[in-house]
Amino acid sequence: EIVLTQSPGTLSLSPGERATLSCRASQTVSSNYLAWYQQKPGQAPRLLIYGASNRATGIPDRFSGSGSGTDFTLTITRLEPEDFAVYFCQHYVSTPFTFGPGTKVDI
Amino acid sequence: QVQLVESGGGLVKPGGSLRLSCSASGFTLSDFYMSWIRQAPGKGLEWVSYISSGSADTYYADSVKGRFTISRDNAKNSLDLQINSLRVDDTAVYYCVRGHSYVYWWGQGALVTVSS
Repeated sequence: EIVLTQSPGTLSLSPGERATLSCRASQTVSSNYLAWYQQKPGQAPRLLIYGASNRATGIPDRFSGSGSGTDFTLTITRLEPEDFAVYFCQHYVSTPFTFGPGTKVDI
Repeated sequence: QVQLVESGGGLVKPGGSLRLSCSASGFTLSDFYMSWIRQAPGKGLEWVSYISSGSADTYYADSVKGRFTISRDNAKNSLDLQINSLRVDDTAVYYCVRGHSYVYWWGQGALVTVSS
């Protein structure tokens, strides 16, 4: 089973700042089968990135994903007020598909 | 527009059973794998189960194997999750989602609370 670790647990930033979120896997995530999601209270997660670096439909270009192997990064340039949320990474290499514990981005 | 609407959640005693249903619209259900993902209150996400378009391929997380059964009726555009022998740690919001890799389409979730 691939275990995903996210850091930091909480990121306290201000609107306009840059956010850098890390996701580290216990084993190589082959084919860069890694996704990122945003979740706000009371809502289902929203897909941001798949394939480590591909933005999902409708996602603003201030969101970008990078990385390979075991280390992946989600970057949000110029935080907007609506970006304050929890972010999860998830691999889909093989079952069990697992999620990281999340990084909360707050003000 | 793709829509996934869960129903059947509620309060159940430990050891009880529940059947969650998901009504799908806006796409041809038979073209896609479907899955259930759950999230315990204030916790992370767990991929619980998936089923292939023709029902031949299924997956269950170890934590639910033998207690949960996923099924689908493509003609009725529906996906079900039969949950038996419920435990307190099954308490979660259960999301019906399209696909079995990364997930773009999510339902709004159905809350299952297991408590005596």
